[in-house]
Formats: sequence, C-alpha cells, structure tokens
Amino acid sequence: QKEVEQDPGPLSVPEGAIVSLNCTYSNSAFQYFMWYRQYSRKGPELLMYTYSSGNKEDGRFTAQVDKSSKYISLFIRDSQPSDSATYLCAMKYPDDYKLSFGAGTTVTVRA
Amino acid sequence: DAMVIQNPRYQVTQFGKPVTLSCSQTLNHNVMYWYQQKSSQAPKLLFHYYDKDFNNEADTPDNFQSRRPNTSFCFLDIRSPGLGDAAMYLCATSRETGGFPNEQFFGPGTRLTVL
Repeated sequence: QKEVEQDPGPLSVPEGAIVSLNCTYSNSAFQYFMWYRQYSRKGPELLMYTYSSGNKEDGRFTAQVDKSSKYISLFIRDSQPSDSATYLCAMKYPDDYKLSFGAGTTVTVRA
Repeated sequence: DAMVIQNPRYQVTQFGKPVTLSCSQTLNHNVMYWYQQKSSQAPKLLFHYYDKDFNNEADTPDNFQSRRPNTSFCFLDIRSPGLGDAAMYLCATSRETGGFPNEQFFGPGTRLTVL
C-alpha cells in the first residue's frame, strides 16, 4: 500500500466550477500537509500548507484536513483556465526532511 | 529573481552512456534535493545534500550519484542509464531540512530520454 494515495483524475471542468481534489494517507504520524501546483513543463510550487485538522482558506483555495480519517482535500472555487495544472498533495513527519507526494491530479478548466 | 535552474531541459542519451544533469540555485539554500518523476507517478526522492553532507535514500540505485561542489551547484550523474531511467528529474532546494512548512523550491526539471 502506498503511503499517500491521490485520486488520479484527470478532471475537466467548465470555468467557474468548484474543483475538489483528494488524498488519503496510511500513516497517522504525518502531521504536516501541503498542496503543490505543477504547470506543464514547470516544477511544482507550494500552493498551500497546513498542520491542523479543519479548513484553511486562501482566496479561492481551501485546504481541508481530517486527521481522524487520514484524508485531505483541496477545493478551488470559481475555477479559472489559469488553474489548469497538476495538483500534488504532499505530507511530512515532524522534523523530517522528506516529503511524501501523491501522484498528482491533472485539472483542466475549460473557458 | 531568486530561482532554481536546471540544465539541460531535455536530454537524450543512449542506453549505457553516462549522463550528467545540472542544477544551480540563487536562493543560497542549505539543502538541495534530486527527485525522479515518472509519468503519472509521485516524485521520488533520490538523495539530498545538507551543505556538503550527502544523504542517499535507501532505495536509490547505485547507478545514480551526485556531486555538490559548492553551495550553488549540484549535479546528478547516471553512470549507465537504462530504459527504466527515462523520467523527469527535478532539483529542489530548501533553507533547512526540518521545521514546517520548510518550503521546497523546484526547478523546471530535465526530461531524460534513453534510446
């Protein structure tokens, strides 16, 4: 079983739709959770991070963590064509250097 | 702009022919990482340097080596590339190894093709 499982997609949505991205993990020792965005032919860039259960909002983006279910989500409201990218969840143990990534979900927002 | 630069962006090599990929950073970060990312798979950490200290992941094949001659540069050497080594190779940096979020900054990657 992989440490981090991510819904494979791909997702194609119309502009303005809500995008929902999900990851599950197997090790409850993960304490820190991140979402990276990777545009085509670019490296991943950190989009959001959180360490507590609950919701964290940043503009049109909401990161949600449910540690009891070992489940994290990223929601994109009012999606735009510029949101078209691959989204990777990542998580780490406290004081560890290593990020454990999901395989990524490719999202296309159609104008 | 501070950044992570990878060269070349695309590399074609022949089966068994050694290849070197290059990464440089202007962020002055202590840590440099090399990841292998195959299509539709999670990035896989190969190794990292904290300053001059080299840290190899347990499952990284011996075929992969790395050098960090100074703070700014790091190289990935593949001694005898096989067809299974065709992938995107990502270089990343971070200020430290612990803490949170301890953001990793990625370069654009080098896509390696093995013929």
